[in-house]
Amino acid sequence: AQSVTQPDIHITVSEGASLELRCNYSYGATPYLFWYVQSPGQGLQLLLKYFSGDTLVQGIKGFEAEFKRSQSSFNLRKPSVHWSDAAEYFCAVGVFTGNQFYFGTGTSLTVIP
Amino acid sequence: GAGVSQSPSNKVTEKGKDVELRCDPISGHTALYWYRQSLGQGLEFLIYFQGNSAPDKSGLPSDRFSAERTGGSVSTLTIQRTQQEDSAVYLCASSPLSGRLNEQFFGPGTRLTVL
Repeated sequence: AQSVTQPDIHITVSEGASLELRCNYSYGATPYLFWYVQSPGQGLQLLLKYFSGDTLVQGIKGFEAEFKRSQSSFNLRKPSVHWSDAAEYFCAVGVFTGNQFYFGTGTSLTVIP
Repeated sequence: GAGVSQSPSNKVTEKGKDVELRCDPISGHTALYWYRQSLGQGLEFLIYFQGNSAPDKSGLPSDRFSAERTGGSVSTLTIQRTQQEDSAVYLCASSPLSGRLNEQFFGPGTRLTVL
């Protein structure tokens, strides 16, 4: 069965430090991959997506993610975190067969001064 | 422009009561989704509407849950005889494109608490 794993429930980083949020998926073929961010009291906002082509994807707010087929991963990165990046981050996988969409359980990011 | 709106933002109800949650998608978006987000859980797909096609109800957890979309726009999620395990944030999303693999625009959610 298809699944999405975000192994880090909560991460704390200092403002200005680099960030990497992990996402692993289980699927027999290359899925469509997404990262969403959810600020408190807000809906989810798309940060970036990967369908095909260049495995390094640039998104909004200075985020990027890299698809690594061999590791079934799609980790989210940012070189320098800002206090406004504190939020919940969700990795999602779209599976073409059956047009299904699966979300991970999320990683909560805290940014300290 | 206006995004996806949901009402109410918060709903507290007693066990056994029925509740209705409303979603107003972005104008012109043909696809509409409902998800449930429980504490410490990812988003759980509930139902998907696409144009005039029959909705995909495969995610509804029980027959107490139902949803409709009137005129291809506003949608209402109804939970009958609510149970405490129904407490969660219910998120609605819409998309301008058909197919569930396209970008979804989310509303702020309705937080449901069943006492």
